[in-house]
Order: sequence, then structure tokens, then C-alpha cells
Amino acid sequence: DGGITQSPKYLFRKEGQNVTLSCEQNLNHDAMYWYRQDPGQGLRLIYYSQIVNDFQKGDIAEGYSVSREKKESFPLTVTSAQKNPTAFYLCASSRDRELVYEQYFGPGTRLTVT
Amino acid sequence: GQSLEQPSEVTAVEGAIVQINCTYQTSGFYGLSWYQQHDGGAPTFLSYNGLDGLEETGRFSSFLSRSDSYGYLLLQELQMKDSASYFCAVSISGSARQLTFGSGTQLTVLP
Repeated sequence: DGGITQSPKYLFRKEGQNVTLSCEQNLNHDAMYWYRQDPGQGLRLIYYSQIVNDFQKGDIAEGYSVSREKKESFPLTVTSAQKNPTAFYLCASSRDRELVYEQYFGPGTRLTVT
Repeated sequence: GQSLEQPSEVTAVEGAIVQINCTYQTSGFYGLSWYQQHDGGAPTFLSYNGLDGLEETGRFSSFLSRSDSYGYLLLQELQMKDSASYFCAVSISGSARQLTFGSGTQLTVLP
């Protein structure tokens, strides 16, 4: 079955540590996205990539970094510069940039930083 | 930038019909999408309106009026499993193809 996997489901880190969240898709989609969701809130775009080896900042990119070396993979690093990293992180993909409106989401990673 | 407004909560009974409204302000509007998210789960795509009018998918319908910067999601024959958060999201034209999500409407379906 095609889909998006994110691991781990829950992640705990100490303040000051960088942490990398995994996102893999086998849908053969060109575009991938990272969102952050805080309790009772909508999704806010962190970074997106429309094609391999290219990515763009979203609305809240500060304190985050990404890479897109392979079509299937779009890992997100939450750096120590992110002031409030505790959140639910969702990875998504769309067939291409034109179909941005129809995104498929992974199950998410709940990150807690203390 | 873009801004979207939708009610924070809606309550309805099983078998009823409910409408969730979404108004938006954006430049370069391309289309309006709707997503469903159950507690702790991943959002799932429900529908998309690129043109004015009604789109129907089973029990769910979505409507768009570009001139009014307004859309809605209509859920018919409500079931308990429809209890979830519903998000509208706008996409804009141009090279920066991304979605901007509303803050979501929590729908509670009562027996």
C-alpha cells in the first residue's frame, strides 16, 4: 500500500538538542510539505519541496531545516534555535505542485522538548 | 498574506445536516480545499473547489463563491464517526504553491 510514514510517533528531547524527524513516501509524489500543529490550532507550513534538491521556506521556517536529496524522503531537523519546539509535526505530499490542494498526510510525530 | 475564518465549534445530532462556513481573504486565490482530522490523527482530504458552485462526494458537499470569498462544507446524514475537526484551506496561484489552513471547526455529533 502506498502512503507516508513518519517516525517515531512520539519523541522526547532535552532543550538545546537538535532532533531530526523522518518522513518517507512511496506514492511517487514530487511535492512534499512539513507542517506544525499546536493544540486547537490549524496547520502552519514550515517548509515545502516541489522537486528533489529544491525546497522553500514556509510561514514559520525559523529554527528548522530540511533536505530533499531523494524523491521519497524529506527529513525535518528541529534545531535548538526553535524557541518553542513542542508540537505535533505532520508531513504531507502531493502528486506535484499543481495538485497542492490535495495533500496526503503521514500519521505525525508528537515532539516534546523539556 | 492569507487569512481564513471558520467557526471554532459546531454541534449537531445524528442524522442531521450541518454546514461549516469558511470566509477567506487572499490575493491570487486559486482554490478552496477541505480536510477532516480526527483527534490525534492525520488530516485527510475531503474536497476541492476551483470554480464557483457545488461539488458533491457522497454525504459531503462543498461550495465556493469566489465573488463573495466564501465557501462551505455540507455534511448530510450525520454519523457519530463524523465527529472531528474540519479545516478549510486556500491555495494561491503563482510559483509558491502552498496551502494555508484555517484554524479548524470542531464538529461534535450527538446521538
